[in-house]
Amino acid sequence: EIVLTQSPATLSLSPGERATLSCRASQSVSSYLGWYQQKPGQAPRLLIYDASNRATGVPARFSGSGSGTDFTLTISSLEPEDFAVYYCQHRQNWPLTFGGGTKVEIK
Amino acid sequence: EEQLVESGGGLVQPGGSLRLSCAASGFTVSHMSWVRQAPGKGLEWVSVIYGGDNRYYADSVKGRFTISRDYSKNTLYLQMNSLRVEDTAVYFCARGAYGDFFDYWGQGTLVTVSS
Repeated sequence: EIVLTQSPATLSLSPGERATLSCRASQSVSSYLGWYQQKPGQAPRLLIYDASNRATGVPARFSGSGSGTDFTLTISSLEPEDFAVYYCQHRQNWPLTFGGGTKVEIK
Repeated sequence: EEQLVESGGGLVQPGGSLRLSCAASGFTVSHMSWVRQAPGKGLEWVSVIYGGDNRYYADSVKGRFTISRDYSKNTLYLQMNSLRVEDTAVYFCARGAYGDFFDYWGQGTLVTVSS
């Protein structure tokens, strides 16, 4: 099973600041990594697939990068609605697994 | 408009069974997954079914849970047997997209396993 480790666990930032979230895989997942946003009481929302492709309707301030074992989700300028928990997920093989999440909170 | 609506959650005793349903509209339930989230915890993939009828399960549920679908009702199911306390979670159904990512999700249904 591929283990995804996200860091930091919590990121405290102000609106307008840049957010950089990390996801590290225990073995290579090529570019088969995605990112989700989840707000309290809601289902997750797909943001990025295959490392760097934005899903339909996702604002351009969200970008993804990386390959192999190290990946980054960047939010260029935080909007109030971006404060949430973010998860990474791979699709390299079964079982599909998610990272433990990074909470982006208002400083 | 694409939509997924889960039902069937509830309180069940350890060792009991439950069947979850996920009714889809706006698309066909060909490539679908179940993902769960224990209270206050992260996301855990549970099972996937593909258009060719291949099915895969997380080790934690293998042999106890069965994923299936009914195209005539455009509905996905998760039959859960031999339930354990650690199966307590909100269960989401989700549509597979871009390979094995998930682009549409239901609102979730809560399963509580407790005596």
